[in-house]
Amino acid sequence: GESVGLHLPTLSVQEGDNSIINCAYSNSASDYFIWYKQESGKGPQFIIDIRSNMDKRQGQRVTVLLNKTVKHLSLQIAATQPGDSAVYFCAYEGPQGGSEKLVFGKGMKLTVNP
Amino acid sequence: ETGVTQTPRHLVMGMTNKKSLKCEQHLGHNAMYWYKQSAKKPLELMFVYSLEERVENNSVPSRFSPECPNSSHLFLHLHTLQPEDSALYLCASSWNSGDLIEQYFGPGTRLTVT
Repeated sequence: GESVGLHLPTLSVQEGDNSIINCAYSNSASDYFIWYKQESGKGPQFIIDIRSNMDKRQGQRVTVLLNKTVKHLSLQIAATQPGDSAVYFCAYEGPQGGSEKLVFGKGMKLTVNP
Repeated sequence: ETGVTQTPRHLVMGMTNKKSLKCEQHLGHNAMYWYKQSAKKPLELMFVYSLEERVENNSVPSRFSPECPNSSHLFLHLHTLQPEDSALYLCASSWNSGDLIEQYFGPGTRLTVT
């Protein structure tokens, strides 16, 4: 079936370093990808999204890269801060399309050491 | 914070109890969702309501019963649950129209079934 997977279950970095979180997806027809951040005790929070007609999109300290050839998505966080410690999920529009069928990855825990 | 609220935040119930989870969104969205989040698993979509009509239930056990009285409110009625139903239950909403598929999540209800 369709799936979204994260390469690394945990990532520990030093404050100030850059972080890269990776995600593999299997549905080549997906048109829309999202990164969510989930802090302890909270629900997932939208970080950044990207459409399939783009390779790169930048936000505030975050960049999402999309490689459709190998069906790979990554989230780069610049100058990682302790407040970035959280679980990060990638998600994409499922085979049926639309907002009703977001498929989520398992999540990867990022720990930022001061 | 996200415009989606959930109550209660924590719930402990016995297997013979009946309880309800409540979700309210203040974003003017027309689609609402229930997800189950268990440890080390991706988010599992349980129910989707679009324009107040259920469009997805993903074969969820009948001991979970959703109700969507209007576009701003969503309930999840629980009865005769099992210990394996213990999880974080997340509500989300979105504007199900065109290309906008980002979902906004509530903080979740941490459910423990004893």
